[in-house]
Amino acid sequence: DIQMTQSPAALSASVGDRVTITCRASQSVGYYLNWYQQKPGKAPKLLIYAASSLQSEVPSRFSGSGSGTDFTLTISSLHPEDLATYYCQQTYTTPRSTFGQGTKLEIK
Amino acid sequence: EVLLVESGGGLVQPGGSLKVSCATSGFTVSNNYMTWVRQAPGKGLEWVSIISSGGRTDYADSVKGRFTISRDNSKNTLSLQMNSLRAEDTAVYYCARVVGATDYLDNWGQGTLVTVSS
Repeated sequence: DIQMTQSPAALSASVGDRVTITCRASQSVGYYLNWYQQKPGKAPKLLIYAASSLQSEVPSRFSGSGSGTDFTLTISSLHPEDLATYYCQQTYTTPRSTFGQGTKLEIK
Repeated sequence: EVLLVESGGGLVQPGGSLKVSCATSGFTVSNNYMTWVRQAPGKGLEWVSIISSGGRTDYADSVKGRFTISRDNSKNTLSLQMNSLRAEDTAVYYCARVVGATDYLDNWGQGTLVTVSS
């Protein structure tokens, strides 16, 4: 099974900061990597698919990069509503998939 | 507009059974891959099961042999029959639509809570 490891597990940042979350796969997943945002008490929401493609209606301050084993989700300028937990998901082993353990983002 | 609404969650005793459903609108379930993802209280997301447009199914090892995914094309709904439930199956269960070249989950339901406890 492919393991997905996110870092950090939690971070605290200020409004306007640039925030970077990393996701590392235990073996290459190509570009089969998606990112989701889950706000407290809500269902996850798709942000980025295929490593770097922005989902429709997602603000352009969100971006994704990487391929193979190392991926990054970046928020260029943090907004208060970005308080959430962020998850990466590999679908290289489709139909099965695995999620990272999540990164909890807090606003200072 | 694409909508997914789960139902059927509740409290069940260990060893019991429960069926959760996902009513959909705005698209045709049988034309899409559909999946179930769960989240234990305070924990991360865990992939559970998937059904292809052709009807092929797959399951996480943790539920294989106990859970069955299915769909009702006439009602445009997805279901998950859960048998031999264990305390560790306690979670919010989400249904989601799978799309695209990288099988991403573009639309999710709001989730339904299943609690396995005596």
